[in-house]
Amino acid sequence: LAKTTQPISMDSYEGQEVNITCSHNNIATNDYITWYQQFPSQGPRFIIQGYKTKVTNEVASLFIPADRKSSTLSLPRVSLSDTAVYYCLVGDQIQGAQKLVFGQGTRLTINP
Amino acid sequence: DTGVSQDPRHKITKRGQNVTFRCDPISEHNRLYWYRQTLGQGPEFLTYFQNEAQLEKSRLLSDRFSAERPKGSFSTLEIQRTEQGDSAMYLCASSLGNSPLHFGNGTRLTVT
Repeated sequence: LAKTTQPISMDSYEGQEVNITCSHNNIATNDYITWYQQFPSQGPRFIIQGYKTKVTNEVASLFIPADRKSSTLSLPRVSLSDTAVYYCLVGDQIQGAQKLVFGQGTRLTINP
Repeated sequence: DTGVSQDPRHKITKRGQNVTFRCDPISEHNRLYWYRQTLGQGPEFLTYFQNEAQLEKSRLLSDRFSAERPKGSFSTLEIQRTEQGDSAMYLCASSLGNSPLHFGNGTRLTVT
């Protein structure tokens, strides 16, 4: 299973762009990169998923360099409500979600 | 999409008692997962169903834990002879095939 490393915590301010980088040096050929967001007392919520280059949706962008050994979740113009824990997961879509490992995540705090 | 529903939201029990939690997945989702999450940690995989078949169990799932998914719809997770170390948030998630997971808001168990 590909192990991921991400910062334990980050701070930013309302209106800023926030980039959270995840390292996954031993990512396998069939692995996808998936990010989840979790608020206190709630289950994680899917944000974005990608395999290579760039993926963008209404919430975030995911940048994946050619070697795929890292990825960066980009949150544009954050607000206080983006304060949450963000998890980066790497795994094989075919093998299924039970193979995905949640690490400790990155605790993002947005300040006014 | 009414989301994944878990019941109860909170459960306080005395050590040695049995507890049962229920999860109602999104109706068309064929896969159902149980996770456990302790404070400050990411969710840890416990077990996984595809339809009514339990296909995988984590080593974390001791013989005091049992999960069922009769008829491939709702699922129950039972913990027998609870111990203080069982205190955690128990999360249920569902997916359609290999699509991203949809989590419920969990059942918080406190064993006194």
